[in-house]
Amino acid sequence: AQSVTQPDIHITVSEGASLELRCNYSYGATPYLFWYVQSPGQGLQLLLKYFSGDTLVQGIKGFEAEFKRSQSSFNLRKPSVHWSDAAEYFCAVSLSGGYNKLIFGAGTRLAVHP
Amino acid sequence: DVKVTQSSRYLVKRTGEKVFLECVQDMDHENMFWYRQDPGLGLRLIYFSYDVKMKEKGDIPEGYSVSREKKERFSLILESASTNQTSMYLCASRGSLGDNEQFFGPGTRLTVL
Repeated sequence: AQSVTQPDIHITVSEGASLELRCNYSYGATPYLFWYVQSPGQGLQLLLKYFSGDTLVQGIKGFEAEFKRSQSSFNLRKPSVHWSDAAEYFCAVSLSGGYNKLIFGAGTRLAVHP
Repeated sequence: DVKVTQSSRYLVKRTGEKVFLECVQDMDHENMFWYRQDPGLGLRLIYFSYDVKMKEKGDIPEGYSVSREKKERFSLILESASTNQTSMYLCASRGSLGDNEQFFGPGTRLTVL
């Protein structure tokens, strides 16, 4: 069965530090890949997505992610974290064809220290 | 911009009550989804609909039903609410063309006492 793993449940970084959130997926082919962010009390907002082409994807709010087929990974990065980035981050995969359901990871909660 | 709205942000119900959660989208999307979100479990798909009056079970449909009488509206129904259905419920919609991006509503936090 397809699955998405986010190994880090909680991460704390200092404001201005770099950030990398990990995501691994289990699927035979290359799925569509997404990162969503959820601020406290809010719904999910799409940060970026990958379907094909350039494996380094730029998103909103200064985030980027790199697809590595050999590692089945799609890690999210930001060079300098701002206090407003404190939120929960979800990696998701969608299978091509069929009803294209999204499969979510368990999420990584990011805390930012001043 | 795509807008997905949910009828309530917070809801408190008693065990055994029938509960309706409503979701409306304004982008003429064919596909609509209901998820529940629980700490440490991420989002889990309850039901989805790919057309009016059409529905498919997701990964955790037990205790829930859905209704899609109009394209823009997708309702989640808890026939007899139980305490283990206390959760955050998120609705999403997606078009049939292009990429697979889903657009999410703000969520309804349901507490069953």
